[in-house]
Amino acid sequence: DIQLTQSPSFLSASVGDRVTITCRASQGISSYLAWYQQKPGKAPKLLIYAASTLQSGVPSRFSGSGSGTEFTLTISSLQPEDFATYYCQQLNSYPPTFGQGTKVEIK
Amino acid sequence: EVQLVESGGGLVQPGGSLRLSCAASGFTFSSYSMNWVRQAPGKGLEWVSYISSSSSTIYYADSVKGRFTISRDNAKNSLYLQMNSLRDEDTAVYYCAMRLVVPAANGAFDIWGQGTMVTVSS
Repeated sequence: DIQLTQSPSFLSASVGDRVTITCRASQGISSYLAWYQQKPGKAPKLLIYAASTLQSGVPSRFSGSGSGTEFTLTISSLQPEDFATYYCQQLNSYPPTFGQGTKVEIK
Repeated sequence: EVQLVESGGGLVQPGGSLRLSCAASGFTFSSYSMNWVRQAPGKGLEWVSYISSSSSTIYYADSVKGRFTISRDNAKNSLYLQMNSLRDEDTAVYYCAMRLVVPAANGAFDIWGQGTMVTVSS
């Protein structure tokens, strides 16, 4: 199975900060990577697919980059509604594994 | 409106069984593959199972293989997960999830249900 490792696991930031989360795959996955946002008690929400394509309706302050084994999710200016947990997921092969998550909290 | 609604969760003893359902609406259910994803309390997301639109292709996570069975009824617009020989570690919120608008080649899950809680405890 392909393993995904996110860093950091926890991030404390302020409104307006630029935030970057990294996801590393244990083997190459081309651009078959998605990013999700999850708030407490809610289902995950797709933010980005194909490593860098913004899902419809997602604010442009979110962006994704990378290919192969290293990927990043960037929030250009953190907003109050962005405090949540973020997961990467690889869709290169089954099982479609998730990273362990990165919790973004208010500083 | 596109919607997935899970049901069937509850409290069950170790070794017991439970059947989860996911009712789909707002799209042509028979044209799309479906997944179950779970999340243990305070933990991350874990993909559980996949079924193709015609049920011809099915995959399971190693952690549930041989104990869980995914199925669907396209006439009833419903997805199911039969869970047998349940263990404490199966305690989780179970979500049905699917790719609807995202290009098929990328497969990301753009539609999720609200989840149903399964608690395995004596």
